[in-house]
Amino acid sequence: DQQVKQNSPSLSVQEGRISILNCDYTNSMFDYFLWYKKYPAEGPTFLISISSIKDKNEDGRFTVFLNKSAKHLSLHIVPSQPGDSAVYFCAALYTGNQFYFGTGTSLTVIP
Amino acid sequence: DTAVSQTPKYLVTQMGNDKSIKCEQNLGHDTMYWYKQDSKKFLKIMFSYNNKELIINETVPNRFSPKSPDKAHLNLHINSLELGDSAVYFCASKSLGLREQFFGPGTRLTVL
Repeated sequence: DQQVKQNSPSLSVQEGRISILNCDYTNSMFDYFLWYKKYPAEGPTFLISISSIKDKNEDGRFTVFLNKSAKHLSLHIVPSQPGDSAVYFCAALYTGNQFYFGTGTSLTVIP
Repeated sequence: DTAVSQTPKYLVTQMGNDKSIKCEQNLGHDTMYWYKQDSKKFLKIMFSYNNKELIINETVPNRFSPKSPDKAHLNLHINSLELGDSAVYFCASKSLGLREQFFGPGTRLTVL
């Protein structure tokens, strides 16, 4: 039973434009959400996170939005750069140690 | 100076064999994890250890046995390997007070 879902397996965006990656979850007990970025043959690396008590967190070109009522979060990348091309995983945290990951969205930024 | 390291990076073996994957972190973290990423790219938690104690044990076959000799190491031993065990296995660690995990580069296991 997948509690975190990323329904778009892939996304292509022109360089300089906005990339929007989406994530949905089912468990209302999740209290923290994270985005990880993964390059081929490497492990995921932490990108940005948000607590369930907030609805927005920004770090440079990356912004995460959380809509608790819709159980939905999104990652915005503005402006998108070719180096952003990677697989992005959404993760949700429960009880402080148990992480649930989505299946990832492969982002391609076209120069 | 890799933060979380795994060995080997690639592992090809026959069905029925027993194999181990090693994980080490030099970040001083007290919590370590094993994840399995299957062919559908789903990253699923298998085990978690905190200070050498098992705190998360998801529904995985008994053939999988984690071992944590100390806080910096969490090894994964797999008995009687099956075709369905083929996957990429990721080790991760984090500090108890923080939420961000640090992942190793992964071990690609292929069972023939």
